[in-house]
Amino acid sequence: DGGITQSPKYLFRKEGQNVTLSCEQNLNHDAMYWYRQDPGQGLRLIYYSQIVNDFQKGDIAEGYSVSREKKESFPLTVTSAQKNPTAFYLCASRAAPLEEKLFFGSGTQLSVL
Amino acid sequence: QKEVEQNSGPLSVPEGAIASLNCTYSDRGSQSFFWYRQYSGKSPELIMSIYSNGDKEDGRFTAQLNKASQYVSLLIRDSQPSDSATYLCAVNWDAGGTSYGKLTFGQGTILTVHP
Repeated sequence: DGGITQSPKYLFRKEGQNVTLSCEQNLNHDAMYWYRQDPGQGLRLIYYSQIVNDFQKGDIAEGYSVSREKKESFPLTVTSAQKNPTAFYLCASRAAPLEEKLFFGSGTQLSVL
Repeated sequence: QKEVEQNSGPLSVPEGAIASLNCTYSDRGSQSFFWYRQYSGKSPELIMSIYSNGDKEDGRFTAQLNKASQYVSLLIRDSQPSDSATYLCAVNWDAGGTSYGKLTFGQGTILTVHP
């Protein structure tokens, strides 16, 4: 079945540590996105990528980094510069420039130890 | 700052009733509007999209768009306990696919349908 796989489902970060969230899709989608969701809040865009080897900052990129070396993969690194990383992280993809439907992965809950 | 606001919840309705969820947005140039349903601890799933003024129906769901008043609503008829979830309104600001899928989401409204 085609879809988006996020791992791990739960992740714990220690003070000063960088952690990487995985996002893999087999939908052959060009565009991929990372959103952050805090309790009782909507989704906020962290980074997005339209094509391989290219990505842009979203609304809350500070403290995060991404790479897009392969079409199917868009990992997100939460760096130590992100002082409030506890949130639910969602990866999404989209089929084409004029296809607006987003497909979401199952999410990663990141917590600070 | 483009904003999307949803009516504060939680919203509680009895089974079989109509649930009405509202959303307002700040930018008159907005072109595309979406309603996502999110069960607790799960990812959002798209249930309705609407692009033109008026109503769009899909089963028990009706989306209503009024661009002049800058609001979009979602009606759920014959509400069922399985409809209990958080409903997220999302807006795409740019036309013609140039926004690169950068949706702006409202904070969500929690709906509870009680038997």
